Amino acid sequence: NAGVTQTPKFRVLKTGQSMTLLCAQDMNHEYMYWYRQDPGMGLRLIHYSVGEGTTAKGEVPDGYNVSRLKKQNFLLGLESAAPSQTSVYFCASNTDREIAQPQHFGDGTRLSIL
Amino acid sequence: AQKITQTQPGMFVQEKEAVTLDCTYDTSDQSYGLFWYKQPSSGEMIFLIYQGSYDEQNATEGRYSLNFQKARKSANLVISASQLGDSAMYFCAMRGYFGNEKLTFGTGTRLTIIP
Repeated sequence: NAGVTQTPKFRVLKTGQSMTLLCAQDMNHEYMYWYRQDPGMGLRLIHYSVGEGTTAKGEVPDGYNVSRLKKQNFLLGLESAAPSQTSVYFCASNTDREIAQPQHFGDGTRLSIL
Repeated sequence: AQKITQTQPGMFVQEKEAVTLDCTYDTSDQSYGLFWYKQPSSGEMIFLIYQGSYDEQNATEGRYSLNFQKARKSANLVISASQLGDSAMYFCAMRGYFGNEKLTFGTGTRLTIIP
């Protein structure tokens, strides 16, 4: 029962470094999402995908890129990390457009940019 | 655009008491869904309960129930007989019919249960 798996769980970067966060789901979900969580601000949507090969911008997309080459994987990239990107990142997925379907979340990645 | 407002940043409740967490929303959609998630100190997001805008009955899941007042645009979470394990952050979220691939979250309420 893996569900949604995020890799890595923790990472410390220096300003200007790049990295990729990996999200994998084994539920055959069409929709996948990347959020960031900052104190006092809830979860904010960075990018999302409604199917393999598709991506779309969310509320706070600047400084991030994503790719969905395989249905089960959704990658979040930081090309040049900035301290403002220090946050907890969550990946989520759900089946389709049915409103009642809840999103299933990974356990999060805690990212610190020095 | 959709907006979720949670006005209680933090709450302290005595164990075994009932607690109500407030959530108000704003949307122009006629069809939408409302969700509550729990985030314990370990960090994971746990889905608790769902209410559809056209559901005539308030949703219930065990000790969780949703006090849905459509005219007031409120969807408050009620936890009966609170337990120490209920201490966590609680997030209200909604998903509209248009652009319904996205969830909009509130800022959350930190609930602390006092023994």
